[in-house]
Amino acid sequence: QVQLQESGPGLVKPSETLSLTCAVFGYSINRGFTWAWIRQSPERGLEWVGTIYPSGTTFYTPTLKTRVIISLDASKNQFSLNLSSVTAADTALYYCARGIRGVAAFDYWGQGTPVTVSS
Amino acid sequence: QSALTQPPSASGSPGQSVTISCTGTSSDIGGYNFVSWYQQHPGKAPRLMIYEVDKRPSGVPARFSGSKSGNTASLTVSGLRPEDEADYYCSSYAGSNIEVFGPGTRVTVL
Repeated sequence: QVQLQESGPGLVKPSETLSLTCAVFGYSINRGFTWAWIRQSPERGLEWVGTIYPSGTTFYTPTLKTRVIISLDASKNQFSLNLSSVTAADTALYYCARGIRGVAAFDYWGQGTPVTVSS
Repeated sequence: QSALTQPPSASGSPGQSVTISCTGTSSDIGGYNFVSWYQQHPGKAPRLMIYEVDKRPSGVPARFSGSKSGNTASLTVSGLRPEDEADYYCSSYAGSNIEVFGPGTRVTVL
């Protein structure tokens, strides 16, 4: 059974960098499919943040492209999200997920981790 | 602002059918057969119900079906059950390796 588990600080100060990690269990991230970060807030609903392929190729949503980096660590079977220069608008529940059709169709999700941007 | 539009709510009685629409443009829904639908219960992560317009992942009941016509995709839930009460989100590939979500529709089972 594939399982994903997000971890990271729940509180980040404005202008700092949000860093989250998603540990994957039951499936090797090198084996195939893609790995994504998706966030959810009452104001913005569900928002695709970006996707990384096992090769390391990444794609990001245009509105966050200048601030986001997704990377993967195959040795730990995990991938990470770094979002720089955060503001209150980045406050959301952050999910990691597996994509089965490139940047689309996410079949396994983590439980989500809440992140608040506040001083 | 979402690039896709969905009605904020829909409802039906147990046993009835409910259809949710998701309207985009020729740059997303109309241009590709990569529409997905997700079900989300309160406090839970979204669950993939439909992908590639009309494909069901393993474990999703056949009561859930998807279709597309032009720039509008639809999710139909037949034989409504109390456990179908949830928020439903559509998403679509929008070209240039970008994925967009709809704002969601709350389905109520009367």
